[in-house]
Amino acid sequence: SQQGEEDPQALSIQEGENATMNCSYKTSINNLQWYRQNSGRGLVHLILIRSNEREKHSGRLRVTLDTSKKSSSLLITASRAADTASYFCATDRQGAQKLVFGQGTRLTINP
Amino acid sequence: NAGVMQNPRHLVRRRGQEARLRCSPMKGHSHVYWYRQLPEEGLKFMVYLQKENIIDESGMPKERFSAEFPKEGPSILRIQQVVRGDSAAYFCASSWGDRGVEAFFGQGTRLTVV
Repeated sequence: SQQGEEDPQALSIQEGENATMNCSYKTSINNLQWYRQNSGRGLVHLILIRSNEREKHSGRLRVTLDTSKKSSSLLITASRAADTASYFCATDRQGAQKLVFGQGTRLTINP
Repeated sequence: NAGVMQNPRHLVRRRGQEARLRCSPMKGHSHVYWYRQLPEEGLKFMVYLQKENIIDESGMPKERFSAEFPKEGPSILRIQQVVRGDSAAYFCASSWGDRGVEAFFGQGTRLTVV
């Protein structure tokens, strides 16, 4: 069954506001990654956080990981119209090469 | 250094035809992964191949779907006798070594079955 569940499924905010998306998973993981996908396009890798890490930053992105709750969050600060996209979390397990993706959050930034 | 190249980008097939999707991995990469994305959903793993070997095909439908990664040339995902439910975006990723976690994704092939 699909590992990741994301919420909300859709999020619409005003430009300049912060956007928070959450991802939960069911089994133990090795790493968790976040990807962005613009409509009808390919995946853009945003950030990877390892299971022994709790927080990671990259520019306007902040990712947290709580392995006890089996959840992660992606925070985009000071959102821009160009951030409008779908955001997916993906997990992998020790020894496995495949990624298991969540259903995604569709983020819309209104100008 | 070209990234993962998939072609065609868009493919339209009539029900019952065959679809062939190609993936050229990044230079130096010998491991390829195929994922399928149905409309409004996340990607789902289909198959993991090394040169001339299928390593993990746990996500492949039992019938009509096959994949190969020959010694020379691109990886091919083949769908025989396509049905409307096969309409999806098919993504390929590649890595050097068995590092699927750090694979690079192509732009995808969008298959439409009419």
